[in-house]
Amino acid sequence: GIQVEQSPPDLILQEGANSTLRCNFSDSVNNLQWFHQNPWGQLINLFYIPSGTKQNGRLSATTVATERYSLLYISSSQTTDSGVYFCAVEKGVQGGSEKLVFGKGTKLTVNP
Amino acid sequence: GAVVSQHPSRVICKSGTSVKIECRSLDFQATTMFWYRQFPKQSLMLMATSNEGSKATYEQGVEKDKFLINHASLTLSTLTVTSAHPEDSSFYICSAYGTGDSPLHFGNGTRLTVT
Repeated sequence: GIQVEQSPPDLILQEGANSTLRCNFSDSVNNLQWFHQNPWGQLINLFYIPSGTKQNGRLSATTVATERYSLLYISSSQTTDSGVYFCAVEKGVQGGSEKLVFGKGTKLTVNP
Repeated sequence: GAVVSQHPSRVICKSGTSVKIECRSLDFQATTMFWYRQFPKQSLMLMATSNEGSKATYEQGVEKDKFLINHASLTLSTLTVTSAHPEDSSFYICSAYGTGDSPLHFGNGTRLTVT
C-alpha cells in the first residue's frame, strides 16, 4: 500500500518562530489532507490539498503532486499550535469513499 | 461545514463487557464511514470501512467478531467492542466525507479504558 512519511518527528519552537513540516508519499494520490490533533485528541482539518497552494491565516500548505510531497508552513507560531500534525493521503477517487492513510505525525511543541 | 458527532467521548468499562460507540453525520448523509484506532503517541490506524446497508470492510488484522460495525442508516454508524479487554483500551475515532468534493471529517473520538 501507499507509504506516508512525515518529518521531522518532533519539533520544538520558541513562540514567534516559523516552521516547515514535510510529508512524502510513495504513490500518486487524489486526496491529501493536513490535520492538527490537539492535546484532547480532537482532529482538526487544516487543509484539503491534493495539489497547489492554500493559505489560512498563519498556516499555508503546498502540495507538489508530481514530486509526491507536501509542505505545511506555520508562521509566527503560538503555544496553541502545539500538538501533533498529521498528513493523510488517499489514492482513490477524489471525494469518494476511499480510505485515508496517515503518516506518523510531527509532534510540535511551542514554548512561550 | 460537515459535522461528525461521536458519542460517548469517554468510557470506562470492566473487562468482559461490551461497549457501543456511535458516530453520526449531523448535516449530511454518509453512505460510508471510517473507524480508526489510535494508541498513545501513535498514528491513526484504519480499522474498518462502514458501508450503509451492507457489511463493513475490515482491515487486515482487525477481528470482525470483536469489533462489530453496524451502519443501519445514512447518518449513523456504530462500533461495538465486544468482550472488551485491557488491550482494547485505545482512542477510537470515526470519520466521514461530506457531500461533493469534500475532505474527510472526524468525530471528536472516544477514549476507551478497560479495567
